[in-house]
Amino acid sequence: ELKVEQNPLFLSMQEGKNYTIYCNYSTTSDRLYWYRQDPGKSLESLFVLLSNGAVKQEGRLMASLDTKARLSTLHITAAVHDLSATYFCAVDTSDTDKLIFGTGTRLQVFP
Amino acid sequence: ETGVTQSPTHLIKTRGQQVTLRCSSQSGHNTVSWYQQALGQGPQFIFQYYREEENGRGNFPPRFSGLQFPNYSSELNVNALELDDSALYLCASSLNRIYEQYFGPGTRLTVT
Repeated sequence: ELKVEQNPLFLSMQEGKNYTIYCNYSTTSDRLYWYRQDPGKSLESLFVLLSNGAVKQEGRLMASLDTKARLSTLHITAAVHDLSATYFCAVDTSDTDKLIFGTGTRLQVFP
Repeated sequence: ETGVTQSPTHLIKTRGQQVTLRCSSQSGHNTVSWYQQALGQGPQFIFQYYREEENGRGNFPPRFSGLQFPNYSSELNVNALELDDSALYLCASSLNRIYEQYFGPGTRLTVT
């Protein structure tokens, strides 16, 4: 069964600092997604990574995918308070048609 | 283009009751997936509907059932509510099952 693990589960970081969230998955996946969720809200799509070596950047966030290592990273550059949220990675495969989510990383950015 | 919508936004039910949640898919999408997200956890896949047929189900008991209509909107029904059913219920729509899923705003269900 496909499993997705994220670490860390909780991240408290100072504004201006850099950090990386890791997402490991257990079997071959066709696509990897990163979502942001604010408290009590739905999921906001950040990135869709489709192939090995894929790298996407939006503002202070950059996501990458290594399908051989079954690893994706979400790198935060010069964090700001507005990035405080919970971040989920999720994977799917063409034969399951469902998204398997990681446990989430709760990010808190303080001044 | 209209995004995914869900109703109601919030709902409070008593244990043992039944509930129906509704989802309207994004324009042009024919697939709807439902997820349950308990507090502090990641979303868990309940089931998916593609062109009015169930197309995959997660580890949820039969009291969780669904329906998709010809306009591709969908309902999630939960019978005999239990306290552990309290969660945020998310629906997501996509085109032909294999493309990116777009999530609705969710329905917060509280069972007392």
